[in-house]
Amino acid sequence: QQQVKQSPQSLIVQKGGISIINCAYENTAFDYFPWYQQFPGKGPALLIAIRPDVSEKKEGRFTISFNKSAKQFSLHIMDSQPGDSATYFCAASKYDKLIFGSGTRLLVRP
Amino acid sequence: NAGVTQTPKFRILKIGQSMTLQCAQDMNHNYMYWYRQDPGMGLKLIYYSVGAGITDKGEVPNGYNVSRSTTEDFPLRLELAAPSQTSVYFCASSHRDRDPDTQYFGPGTRLTVL
Repeated sequence: QQQVKQSPQSLIVQKGGISIINCAYENTAFDYFPWYQQFPGKGPALLIAIRPDVSEKKEGRFTISFNKSAKQFSLHIMDSQPGDSATYFCAASKYDKLIFGSGTRLLVRP
Repeated sequence: NAGVTQTPKFRILKIGQSMTLQCAQDMNHNYMYWYRQDPGMGLKLIYYSVGAGITDKGEVPNGYNVSRSTTEDFPLRLELAAPSQTSVYFCASSHRDRDPDTQYFGPGTRLTVL
């Protein structure tokens, strides 16, 4: 049973464009929703995270939008740059254990 | 601080062989985790530990064993390697009291079982 569904699997965006990655979860007990960024050959690193008591969180060019009633959350990357090219994973957490989505490979073309 | 370190970086095993993947952290984190990452499948939790001497199963523990004798080290043991265990393995750690929700990942071990 896939508890966190992520889409799209891959995404190509032009430099300066907006990248949007979506995730949906099933378990309403989840209380923490992070996004991790992974470059080739490296481990994932925390990018930004949100808790379900807020609907949006912004850090620089990265924004999480959270819809509790729909059980969905998304990552928006504004003014996408070639250096943002990486794999992005959404996750959901309860009791310190993360359930990851399947990942989105983002390519930002110059 | 070196953060989370993993050895080896790469390993090829034959079916039925055994090996231990090493993981160490120097951040005095009490929680440690082992994940496997398969292509297009995200990361799956194998085992985790909330402190020295305490371990518990994650989503996919079959075929693996762990131990946590010290705060710093959390080795993962494969007893009888199978092709299905071909994957990239990541170790992670977090501090339950200071920053419980942020997991810090090591660089990974790429394991191939032939």
